[in-house]
Order: sequence, then C-alpha cells, then structure tokens
Amino acid sequence: SQELEQSPQSLIVQEGKNLTINCTSSKTLYGLYWYKQKYGEGLIFLMMLQKGGEEKSHEKITAKLDEKKQQSSLHITASQPSHAGIYLCGADMRGNAGGTSYGKLTFGQGTILTVHP
Amino acid sequence: EAGVVQSPRYKIIEKKQPVAFWCNPISGHNTLYWYRQNLGQGPELLIRYENEEAVDDSQLPKDRFSAERLKGVDSTLKIQPAELGDSAVYLCASSLVSDTQYFGPGTRLTVL
Repeated sequence: SQELEQSPQSLIVQEGKNLTINCTSSKTLYGLYWYKQKYGEGLIFLMMLQKGGEEKSHEKITAKLDEKKQQSSLHITASQPSHAGIYLCGADMRGNAGGTSYGKLTFGQGTILTVHP
Repeated sequence: EAGVVQSPRYKIIEKKQPVAFWCNPISGHNTLYWYRQNLGQGPELLIRYENEEAVDDSQLPKDRFSAERLKGVDSTLKIQPAELGDSAVYLCASSLVSDTQYFGPGTRLTVL
C-alpha cells in the first residue's frame, strides 16, 4: 500500500465549483509539498506546509496541514479550466529517529482534476 | 531565472540499447535529484546528490543504472541495457539543501 494516499484518484467538476483533494499518511509528516503536473510535463511547486495547523493560500488554492501532521488538504475555490491537471502531494517522511530520509520526498499517486467549461 | 533543464524531452529506443539523460539544475542549487515516474503514479526517487556526492542511491537499480554529477553541477543518468519496464518519465529536480525541490520538464522514455 502507498505510504501517502491521495483521494480522490480523479475528479471531474464544472467550472466555478469548489473542490477538495486529500493527502493522508499513517506517519508524521515533517514537510508536506503540493505540486501540479500537466500531462507529460514536470511538476510545478504550489505550496509547502510544515507546522501542524498551518494553512497557506495562493490565488484560489488553499492548502492545510492538520494538527497531527498526518493529513493535508488542497482546496480550490471557483475552479477554472486552467486548474486542470494532476495534483501531487509529496512529503518528508523521515523515520522516528529523524534525519535519514532528510530531503527525500515520498509522493502520493496523484489526483487527476478535469474542469469542464 | 532559468529553471531545471533536461534533455532530451522524448526518447524511443529498442530494448537492450543504452540511453542517457542530461540535467542542468537551477544555478546555485547544490542538491540534485533523479526521479522515475511510472504512468499513473507519483515520482519515486532514484538518487540524490549533494554537490558531487551521491548521498542516497538506495533506490537506484545499480545493475543497469548509473549516474554522475561531475563538478557538482550538471548530471547524467544512464541505463544500460534498457528493458521494457524502464519505460517511464525521468524527472530531475534541484534544491538548496533540504529546501523546496524544483522539477524539470522530464524525459519520456519509451522502450520497444
């Protein structure tokens, strides 16, 4: 099973609708990154969360990290066709001893977002 | 500021042939990563460099894959010989130490 689970796997919405993508881990997340990927392209950095309860926003996208630092959500308000793509969460999931996976990101499988005009 | 540059963007080869991918990181970024992304999956780390040193290559299949980062800047990832299962997108990323990773556009490899 995946160390980092994203849900849903795919999402189809009408333009203007709000949507939420979740990223869940059974381990504590020491840094949680959200990226967007267009098919066949590289990953574009969106936001990074580190502290429990942290919330960041950029334009119409808001990301939150829960207090226990085991789940993050990405919320898009009033979606537009330009939001379509694959959203990936990536996390620093170093072990309890710390340090050994420092800098290594583990990614979820991605959520495919389609926005119909 | 220029982003991470990768070449080629696409490569189609016959199985058992060798192939190489090149990456030029963002200027000043001392940490460089190579990831492999299979269809419908998230990227998986193959190797991480800090300057010229490979600090994490535990996921690199060393029987056929090799990588180098001469002078701590550009990097090359090689597969020899390629197998059908190596078809994937190979992504290069760079960062300052332990900071946000910025990705290149990737190289899509198809092995026939």
